[in-house]
Amino acid sequence: NAGVMQNPRHLVRRRGQEARLRCSPMKGHSHVYWYRQLPEEGLKFMVYLQKENIIDESGMPKERFSAEFPKEGPSILRIQQVVRGDSAAYFCASSPPGWTNEKLFFGSGTQLSVL
Amino acid sequence: DQQVKQNSPSLSVQEGRISILNCDYTNSMFDYFLWYKKYPAEGPTFLISISSIKDKNEDGRFTVFLNKSAKHLSLHIVPSQPGDSAVYFCAASGGSNYKLTFGKGTLLTVNP
Repeated sequence: NAGVMQNPRHLVRRRGQEARLRCSPMKGHSHVYWYRQLPEEGLKFMVYLQKENIIDESGMPKERFSAEFPKEGPSILRIQQVVRGDSAAYFCASSPPGWTNEKLFFGSGTQLSVL
Repeated sequence: DQQVKQNSPSLSVQEGRISILNCDYTNSMFDYFLWYKKYPAEGPTFLISISSIKDKNEDGRFTVFLNKSAKHLSLHIVPSQPGDSAVYFCAASGGSNYKLTFGKGTLLTVNP
């Protein structure tokens, strides 16, 4: 059973560039959740998506950040015009339809470094 | 505002002894609590959880205690093993099962 797959594992960007982070959920899972961990902090919820729908984006910064989960392919977290403060570990979790359990299972994360 | 607090950034314990990790919360709406374990360069791994209707949950060497009146929970690991060395995150949810609020974590080091 493959778990939640995230790539790249490490991503280096210069200020002003775009960052694209990908998350492939576990097989049979159609719900995806993105969390961010800033240095020396706990994980913070960003966004919850189902296939082709954003369900809850209350944790997303208002500007430069967007997320999608298309009918085919992985979920993408996109950060435009990155700044140094975007440097963080970005984790993705997934769940099957009808999941009511709080036990989220996370991928290994993408470490974004902005120079 | 930090709704879930882990006041000890680190804890060091001898192998075979008990490890006790603590967590406090401020939001009375939280009704489900979880502990996650994280190794470097890996994602958090679910360890154990407890519902607010219980005060104790046990799974092998791991036991979580919940004191609702004090808004405090703790994770006990007995006996501690070197492989338990990791960062432990306390998390809570209330209402939205997918929107977990995490503490900053406690780095546990178990010395052989």
